[in-house]
Amino acid sequence: SAVISQKPSRDICQRGTSLTIQCQVDSQVTMMFWYRQQPGQSLTLIATANQGSEATYESGFVIDKFPISRPNLTFSTLTVSNMSPEDSSIYLCSAGRGQGQPQHFGDGTRLSIL
Amino acid sequence: GESVGLHLPTLSVQEGDNSIINCAYSNSASDYFIWYKQESGKGPQFIIDIRSNMDKRQGQRVTVLLNKTVKHLSLQIAATQPGDSAVYFCAENFFSGNTPLVFGKGTRLSVIA
Repeated sequence: SAVISQKPSRDICQRGTSLTIQCQVDSQVTMMFWYRQQPGQSLTLIATANQGSEATYESGFVIDKFPISRPNLTFSTLTVSNMSPEDSSIYLCSAGRGQGQPQHFGDGTRLSIL
Repeated sequence: GESVGLHLPTLSVQEGDNSIINCAYSNSASDYFIWYKQESGKGPQFIIDIRSNMDKRQGQRVTVLLNKTVKHLSLQIAATQPGDSAVYFCAENFFSGNTPLVFGKGTRLSVIA
């Protein structure tokens, strides 16, 4: 199974600032995915990150707010820009090895905005 | 589509009893289903998966049942232990891979020692 490392694991940020979350996979993967999980809720897809092309965003999420980089096949970043308290959440990345393989997740970044 | 629940349903079971966690999925075209366990402070952890050409699959102490007619999944945990306490999510996907997961609402399992 893919081992996924995320950092930071948690942060407390000031309103109006930005934070970049890093996701590292221990092997090359085609697609990486970013999800948001609000307290007590299920996971919601933010975007799909494919190496070599722009990320594909879900309805309600825009590139200006959540820019994503995918510089190579093992790494991706998600930036939460101009943060407000409504952005307080857990942000998770996932990746899978392809056909018939389950996606695996990092432990998430717990973000609180004051 | 996406599933988001405001309050997670809770299932409380006695230690040693069997647990059954249910999930409805939304897309009849989905052909690959996964159960995840999420403990506090951690990301979802893979438990077991099943393809749509099967209706049952067994792992160690866990069994997944799939009913495509009513778009329903269940996870059965035998001899539930305190370490099984967590939130459980089902997710639907495509076997071809490289597509995002669509998660169910989640169920919190609480094991009473």
